[in-house]
Amino acid sequence: GAGVSQSPRYKVAKRGQDVALRCDPISGHVSLFWYQQALGQGPEFLTYFQNEAQLDKSGLPSDRFFAERPEGSVSTLKIQRTQQEDSAVYLCATRDSDSGANVLTFGAGSRLTVL
Amino acid sequence: GQQLNQSPQSMFIQEGEDVSMNCTSSSIFNTWLWYKQDPGEGPVLLIALYKAGELTSNGRLTAQFGITRKDSFLNISASIPSDVGIYFCAGRLGNGNQFYFGTGTSLTVIP
Repeated sequence: GAGVSQSPRYKVAKRGQDVALRCDPISGHVSLFWYQQALGQGPEFLTYFQNEAQLDKSGLPSDRFFAERPEGSVSTLKIQRTQQEDSAVYLCATRDSDSGANVLTFGAGSRLTVL
Repeated sequence: GQQLNQSPQSMFIQEGEDVSMNCTSSSIFNTWLWYKQDPGEGPVLLIALYKAGELTSNGRLTAQFGITRKDSFLNISASIPSDVGIYFCAGRLGNGNQFYFGTGTSLTVIP
């Protein structure tokens, strides 16, 4: 697609529920990132994929967070047994490795509110 | 993770005024990016910098890659109401894949 598409845009979950957030990257972008942005803060790195390989998951805050990109395109960030501190905007970004520009293009984000 | 400090944290300026903000780090970065984020949207790239001392413009925006490689600056000339938003710097260490983001500068332009 023309841009990075994320869904849902808004998600309200009760504490303890599982959620899944989807990212449709720019076509052909092999690098995909997930970031977490708490209210009033800058984005914080969660995890990075190159094609289907998850090369860095050092930013995932706990084992309740899981990300996958099975076919090297669409990615899903899953949060199990959500807690109130998981409330944040989850941003997906892709990078065009071929252009050499080495910049991130972000989606609009998925805002998660855990009650 | 890396700490990028942005200042000022917020700015209130009159339309037409020039704006300056900066970003500093304790580490040396090889790439600096500047983004603008509007409410309810993702960050949008404004300027990318790749070499120490590099000065790059995008319309009324000008950014510089500090010669120490530990800082970067963004200037906006003749501000207009649509400049309102939060500005983030982001830096990349070495050839790593991760970009670290600053704490943001919130800009309000008073017509």
